[in-house]
Amino acid sequence: SAVISQKPSRDICQRGTSLTIQCQVDSQVTMMFWYRQQPGQSLTLIATANQGSEATYESGFVIDKFPISRPNLTFSTLTVSNMSPEDSSIYLCSVMGARDGYTFGSGTRLTVV
Amino acid sequence: QKEVEQNSGPLSVPEGAIASLNCTYSDRGSQSFFWYRQYSGKSPELIMFIYSNGDKEDGRFTAQLNKASQYVSLLIRDSQPSDSATYLCAVKTSGSRLTFGEGTQLTVNP
Repeated sequence: SAVISQKPSRDICQRGTSLTIQCQVDSQVTMMFWYRQQPGQSLTLIATANQGSEATYESGFVIDKFPISRPNLTFSTLTVSNMSPEDSSIYLCSVMGARDGYTFGSGTRLTVV
Repeated sequence: QKEVEQNSGPLSVPEGAIASLNCTYSDRGSQSFFWYRQYSGKSPELIMFIYSNGDKEDGRFTAQLNKASQYVSLLIRDSQPSDSATYLCAVKTSGSRLTFGEGTQLTVNP
C-alpha cells in the first residue's frame, strides 16, 4: 500500500492566521482526499483533490476556507485559512491505493488559540 | 438518516471473547465496505474490506456483508487487550469517496 508522509504532525496557531498541511505519497495516485476529525468525532471528508483540476468540496466546506493544491500525482497541500478555535481538529490526507485500500497519512493535530 | 451508522458504544468484552461490531448504510448502490481501527492519537488503519455478500475472514477478523439488509459487521475472535481501539465502518460512495460512521469504541478487559 502507498506510504504517505504528512506534515506538520501538530501545530498551535493564533486565530486569524493560516496553516498549510502537506502530504507526500511514495507513488503516483490519481485521487487524494482530505478529511477532518474533530475531537471525539469520526472523519468528515473536506474535499477530493485530483491532479490538474479543481478540488471537489463537500457540503459545508468552501475553497476560500480550505484551499487545496495538487501540483502533481504525488503531492497535495491543504490550507486552513483565517483560523478560529472551531478549526481545532485533526486533519488527515488519504489516497486510494492498489486493490481499493485507502491509506491515511499520520495526521496533523491543529490547535487554534 | 445518516449515510453510515454504527452500533452505539462503548463496547466492552473480556479477553478471549468475540467482539461484534455492526454498521448499516443508506445508499443501496454502495459497493465497497471497509473496517478501520483507530488507536487514540493515531490515524485510521485498514483492517479489511469486503465487496461481496457473505463472510470474509482474515486471521481473527471476519467481515460480514448483507447488501439486501444494507448491513455490514466485523467480528473479532479471541479478543485481546491490544484490540482496544475505536472501530470505524466506511462505505465507498460516489466519486470514490469514503463515508465514515461515528465509530464504536471497543475495550477488551484482561
